[in-house]
Amino acid sequence: SQELEQSPQSLIVQEGKNLTINCTSSKTLYGLYWYKQKYGEGLIFLMMLQKGGEEKSHEKITAKLDEKKQQSSLHITASQPSHAGIYLCGAVHTSGTYKYIFGTGTRLKVLA
Amino acid sequence: EAQVTQNPRYLITVTGKKLTVTCSQNMNHEYMSWYRQDPGLGLRQIYYSMNVEVTDKGDVPEGYKVSRKEKRNFPLILESPSPNQTSLYFCASQTAGGVYEQYFGPGTRLTVT
Repeated sequence: SQELEQSPQSLIVQEGKNLTINCTSSKTLYGLYWYKQKYGEGLIFLMMLQKGGEEKSHEKITAKLDEKKQQSSLHITASQPSHAGIYLCGAVHTSGTYKYIFGTGTRLKVLA
Repeated sequence: EAQVTQNPRYLITVTGKKLTVTCSQNMNHEYMSWYRQDPGLGLRQIYYSMNVEVTDKGDVPEGYKVSRKEKRNFPLILESPSPNQTSLYFCASQTAGGVYEQYFGPGTRLTVT
C-alpha cells in the first residue's frame, strides 16, 4: 500500500477556479515537500513544510501541514493553464534518515 | 547554474547488457539519491548516499548498484537489466544535515527489451 496517499488522482478545472490537493500519511512526517512535474520531465520544487501547523505561500499556491504532521494540502487560487501538470508530495517518514517516500501524484488540467 | 545532470536521457537496451546511468551535481551536496518513477506507483527510492563511500538502500534496491567515489558523482549501475527495470529514473541531491530541498535531474527514460 502507498504510504503517502494523494487525492484526487486527477483534476480538471476551469481557469480561474480554486482547487485543493491532499496528501495523507498514517505516520508522522519529518519534512513534507511539494513538487510539480511536467509529464515525463524533472521535478520542480514548490515548497517544503516541517513544523506542525506550518503554512507557506508562493504566488497563488499555498501549502499547509496539519498539527499532527500527517496531512498536507496544496491549494491553488484562481488557477491558470500554467498550473497544469502533475503535483507530487514527498516526505521523510523516518526521523534521522534520508529515506524518502512520495505520493503517486495528482494530474491537474486547467481548461482555458 | 546549480544543476543535477543525468546521462543518457534516453536509453533502449536489451536484457542482460550491463549499463550505467551517470549523475552529477555541481552544488557540493553531500546527499544524493536515485529514484524510479512508474505509472500508478509514483516515485520510489532505489539507493541514496550520505557522502563519499557511504551508500544505503532505499525501498527498491534489487537489481541495482551504486557507487560514490567522488562527491559530485553518483552513478546507477544495472549489471543485468531486465524488462521490469523499464522506467523513468531520476537522480537528486541536497544538502545533508537537515530537511532541505532536493534538486532533481531531468530524468533518464530506460527501456529494456
